[in-house]
Amino acid sequence: DAGITQSPRHKVTETGTPVTLRCHQTENHRYMYWYRQDPGHGLRLIHYSYGVKDTDKGEVSDGYSVSRSKTEDFLLTLESATSSQTSVYFCAISVLPFDESGTEAFFGQGTRLTVV
Amino acid sequence: GENVEQHPSTLSVQEGDSAVIKCTYSDSASNYFPWYKQELGKGPQLIIDIRSNVGEKKDQRIAVTLNKTAKHFSLHITETQPEDSAVYFCAASIKEYGNKLVFGAGTILRVKS
Repeated sequence: DAGITQSPRHKVTETGTPVTLRCHQTENHRYMYWYRQDPGHGLRLIHYSYGVKDTDKGEVSDGYSVSRSKTEDFLLTLESATSSQTSVYFCAISVLPFDESGTEAFFGQGTRLTVV
Repeated sequence: GENVEQHPSTLSVQEGDSAVIKCTYSDSASNYFPWYKQELGKGPQLIIDIRSNVGEKKDQRIAVTLNKTAKHFSLHITETQPEDSAVYFCAASIKEYGNKLVFGAGTILRVKS
């Protein structure tokens, strides 16, 4: 596996509480992504980063924020968790943007978040 | 917004048979189409990809075809084996999202031995 570690791997939290998920990489890849995976929807991009302190929104960014203060860490924060944010969250990394020639994206093992 | 549709949602085949999964996309500017395999409890893993200047690509038992005019692409797995059982996702780079990947909903492939 590529050097990607997601933490925690499982979390149960209550509605209205803040939650932070961490993605840590040892590959020194510039690009990092947060996806959520839900039945019937595949993977949907939440936010991505193209460098330290450089982030942008994906297709389902409402209710989420991110930060990247170091190359190796990309944090996803749910400011006030809601039941609709119950999902499996995946971090991915790539050397170049996905559409660049020869670029492969490597995914972490996922974080299962349950909001009750 | 732009999207990617994937069919079928589940597919059962006998070991040794072929499996075909099809995807359509809406963004005519898309130029990168990867396929990912996800095994239980793991993250997706790239198995093959194709770019818009290529019509077909093959890697051992798997192949991908692309029809840019019709805006669809397909994954073909020949001589299926039990270890091919997994969830398969297609994806397309979508210009609306800065050429980031938009994924199909996934296909659960079961290979019966």
